Order: sequence, then C-alpha cells, then structure tokens
Amino acid sequence: DVKVTQSSRYLVKRTGEKVFLECVQDMDHENMFWYRQDPGLGLRLIYFSYDVKMKEKGDIPEGYSVSREKKERFSLILESASTNQTSMYLCASSLSTSGGEETQYFGPGTRLLVL
Amino acid sequence: SQKIEQNSEALNIQEGKTATLTCNYTNYSPAYLQWYRQDPGRGPVFLLLIRENEKEKRKERLKVTFDTTLKQSLFHITASQPADSATYLCALVSGYSTLTFGKGTMLLVSP
Repeated sequence: DVKVTQSSRYLVKRTGEKVFLECVQDMDHENMFWYRQDPGLGLRLIYFSYDVKMKEKGDIPEGYSVSREKKERFSLILESASTNQTSMYLCASSLSTSGGEETQYFGPGTRLLVL
Repeated sequence: SQKIEQNSEALNIQEGKTATLTCNYTNYSPAYLQWYRQDPGRGPVFLLLIRENEKEKRKERLKVTFDTTLKQSLFHITASQPADSATYLCALVSGYSTLTFGKGTMLLVSP
C-alpha cells in the first residue's frame, strides 16, 4: 500500500514565523502535491511537483514556497506565517501514467493554527 | 477552467437504503472522473475511477455512472451502513497530472 506521511498532525505557530511542513511518500511516485482545505472552499492546490527539483504553481501559491530535493520528499514552506494561513494542509502523491489516469494518495493532513 | 458542483447540503438516509450523490461539471468533458471518500480530520481516500467511454463502474456496494452528455456523474452506495458516513468528493483532471476536486457532499447514514 502507498503510504504518505506528514511531519505533524497538529502545529501551532505565531504570526511571522517561518513554517516547514514535510511530506514523504514511499512508493516512488513522480508527482507530489500540496493542498489546503478550508470549510466551504474545498481542496485548493497550492503547489505541485512532477520531478525532483521541479515545481509548478497551483491555484493559490501566494505566501508559500516548496522544495523537492529528493523524489520521496516534498516540503511546503510558509515564509512568514499569517493568520489567514490557518488551515488543514494535505499532501498527496501520484504515479505518472501514459494514459493520465492518475489517482492521488493523500497523507493524514496537518492542522496548522497561526496565532 | 473546470468547475465542479456537488450538493453542499448533507444527505441523510437510513441504513439499508441506497445513497445517490451527484457531481456536475462545466466546460470540457474529461477523459475520466474519480471519486474519493474523506473522513473528518483525515485525507481523502481514492474509491473509483470511471473513463469517458464507460457508462458504469462497480466495486462491491459502490456504483458510479458517467454521462458525458449531461456532464454528470452519479455515485451510488447500495445497502448503506453507518460506516459509510463520510464526505464524498468527485475529481476531474485539470491539467498535467493535476485534479480539480469538488467541495464534496456529506453523507450521514443513520441506524
């Protein structure tokens, strides 16, 4: 079974702090994704990566950056945390297929509270 | 860009009945559509994928239909159980390896 793990389940940070959220997958997937999920807004894509050292902006990249130095690890960085970044953060991975039928495997999520 | 609509109101049904959830989309018809289940405080879990040339797909008590003319997918759970209570999300391919998710419909199955 694919396993996607996230470094923390719950995190409390102060405004202005630099925050690192880490995600690791164990199935050699090429693609990795970071989403945030808020009530009434659903899942929104922040950034994704389809290869090591490659990154692409999603729908809401402002205030975030990412790093993918190794294939199995994808980090989300909040450069200067703000209260509007309080949210549930979900990491996912998928295997690239020629047919494009790529299902995503999600981690358990990190609930971040910025005070 | 693709827009996905799922009923935002929770669906309440009794145990043993069939639950039917709807996913409507606008713009282009995708080559395939996926359904995920999400429990509170957890990440979504993939359930089923249906291709545009498949009218119907089944997996145990789950059935998904895909009508590209209506731009709609229906997700059915037969003989529903309280353990089926969760939020169900549909997702469509939106770009290179990316998916756009609907906001989900909460299903509540009462004993």
